[in-house]
Amino acid sequence: GESVGLHLPTLSVQEGDNSIINCAYSNSASDYFIWYKQESGKGPQFIIDIRSNMDKRQGQRVTVLLNKTVKHLSLQIAATQPGDSAVYFCAEIGMDSSYKLIFGSGTRLLVRP
Amino acid sequence: DTEVTQTPKHLVMGMTNKKSLKCEQHMGHRAMYWYKQKAKKPPELMFVYSYEKLSINESVPSRFSPECPNSSLLNLHLHALQPEDSALYLCASSQSSQSNNEQFFGPGTRLTVL
Repeated sequence: GESVGLHLPTLSVQEGDNSIINCAYSNSASDYFIWYKQESGKGPQFIIDIRSNMDKRQGQRVTVLLNKTVKHLSLQIAATQPGDSAVYFCAEIGMDSSYKLIFGSGTRLLVRP
Repeated sequence: DTEVTQTPKHLVMGMTNKKSLKCEQHMGHRAMYWYKQKAKKPPELMFVYSYEKLSINESVPSRFSPECPNSSLLNLHLHALQPEDSALYLCASSQSSQSNNEQFFGPGTRLTVL
């Protein structure tokens, strides 16, 4: 069945370093991908999205890379800050008629001071 | 206003109680969603409303009853819940449920069933 998964459940980085969070997806027909950040006690917050006709998209301190050949998605955070500590989910919009959002299992990012 | 609001923030209820969760958005979105999230897990879709009509029910038990009174409001009525239903219940909205577009999430209601 369809699944979106992450390789690393927890990532610990030094403040100021760059972070890379990876995600593998299984539905090669998926067209739209989103990264969400979820802080403790809060709902998921949109970070950045990318459509399948692109392989890279940049935001403020964040970059999403999409490799459709190997069905891999990554989120890069530059100069990681303590406020970046959270759980990060990749999500995929299903390509059946329902357009359901399918979440990956999540990665916890811990930023060491 | 680019916010989805949810009330209450916390709810504790017994297995015989009836309670309701509420969600509101004023972004003009025509699709609204209920998700259930257990600890350390991703959100799981429960229901989708599109133009105030229920379009998706992910085989959710009947003790959960959604309602969409108008395009800005979404309720989730709870009755005879089980302790395993304890979770964070998230509401989300998007411009449409029939295209690829961002879903905006509320802060959730933390539900504990005793």
